[in-house]
Amino acid sequence: GESVGLHLPTLSVQEGDNSIINCAYSNSASDYFIWYKQESGKGPQFIIDIRSNMDKRQGQRVTVLLNKTVKHLSLQIAATQPGDSAVYFCAENIGKGGSYIPTFGRGTSLIVHP
Amino acid sequence: DAGVTQSPTHLIKTRGQQVTLRCSPISGHKSVSWYQQVLGQGPQFIFQYYEKEERGRGNFPDRFSARQFPNYSSELNVNALLLGDSALYLCASSGGLAGGVYNEQFFGPGTRLTVL
Repeated sequence: GESVGLHLPTLSVQEGDNSIINCAYSNSASDYFIWYKQESGKGPQFIIDIRSNMDKRQGQRVTVLLNKTVKHLSLQIAATQPGDSAVYFCAENIGKGGSYIPTFGRGTSLIVHP
Repeated sequence: DAGVTQSPTHLIKTRGQQVTLRCSPISGHKSVSWYQQVLGQGPQFIFQYYEKEERGRGNFPDRFSARQFPNYSSELNVNALLLGDSALYLCASSGGLAGGVYNEQFFGPGTRLTVL
């Protein structure tokens, strides 16, 4: 399928290493954040989320850190595997009219070398 | 269980034409959102529908319109196509909308639209 990783910031790691993907968000009113993974030819897939009243949340092999002071998010992937190769997006969400409207960042292409 | 499905998978149109893209949400999901993803960028929010009503609209011109049917499927229409409308159009469904509670969105594979 056509790559969505063209012209994106790229992070290359070796299999087994830990990966850290960073994201700066723009709106201090954002109160909900999501990390998505998008593989070539597919739609984004939810990885992990975090609300603004938290600064850390852990999932299976993934951890999201939120620093509201500097409007920064990071996604940490432990023991990175070749199957983790994809484009990763952060999305900030603002509540509007009873629903959340997401704004996606530009994305980072993660390449995992076996 | 079937995920979100979109049709067609690929589409080629010429400038000035009109296009209709279709989305079927996951069974039981009542909310559908549409996104435009230009190559090399993140998805941009276009519309959100819940229970057949528009609940959110992104910064897109009036050439873009959508609707949701009683069975919760949705169509995105784009009139007077421009070259810049070439993109991957993604549909996402979620169980519902609830103020203060975000329902996880599940994305379809998208429709690749090319405008010549």
